[in-house]
Amino acid sequence: EPEVTQTPSHQVTQMGQEVILRCVPISNHLYFYWYRQILGQKVEFLVSFYNNEISEKSEIFDDQFSVERPDGSNFTLKIRSTKLEDSAMYFCASGDSNEKLFFGSGTQLSVL
Amino acid sequence: GQQLNQSPQSMFIQEGEDVSMNCTSSSIFNTWLWYKQDPGEGPVLLIALYKAGELTSNGRLTAQFGITRKDSFLNISASIPSDVGIYFCAGRWNAGNNRKLIWGLGTSLAVNP
Repeated sequence: EPEVTQTPSHQVTQMGQEVILRCVPISNHLYFYWYRQILGQKVEFLVSFYNNEISEKSEIFDDQFSVERPDGSNFTLKIRSTKLEDSAMYFCASGDSNEKLFFGSGTQLSVL
Repeated sequence: GQQLNQSPQSMFIQEGEDVSMNCTSSSIFNTWLWYKQDPGEGPVLLIALYKAGELTSNGRLTAQFGITRKDSFLNISASIPSDVGIYFCAGRWNAGNNRKLIWGLGTSLAVNP
């Protein structure tokens, strides 16, 4: 069964460093998303991406964040200068034509 | 902003019991999704609902899209130990570019064998 894959599964970085989280969405999906979840809390929307551009973003997704779909298969989230409060599990999701969302297993980001 | 209230926050039940959880929204949705999340994993889609009044089953799971469009419930019948996890409801009003899901805080389910 097709699935969303994310790498790495864990990322440890120093505050102020740049990180890139990578995702390979399900191949025939059209909608792509990043969500994050701080330990024990609810899932928070970051950004949605459709037709090679951002379609919606939350207030969390400030100028430090960017997304790219560089080659038609990968979908990346870049955090330019990480802060302590960026520590969370980051989930990539892709959506089919019925707009069901399928999630990857996540990247646990720890900012020290 | 839009709010989703999910209840109960946690449940501890005996194996074989039925479970019911629900979500209510401050605004109407045209899509409700129910997910289960295991520790360290991403949410897994259980059931998707698209029409008011829709009742959909997936094995022992049944979910309904409320008539008012502001609520949904999930029932699990004859619970088993592998039902343990956190269940999230998520809703959305699809309009234009808006595909942002609003999430509940989750219902943590523990099943005593």
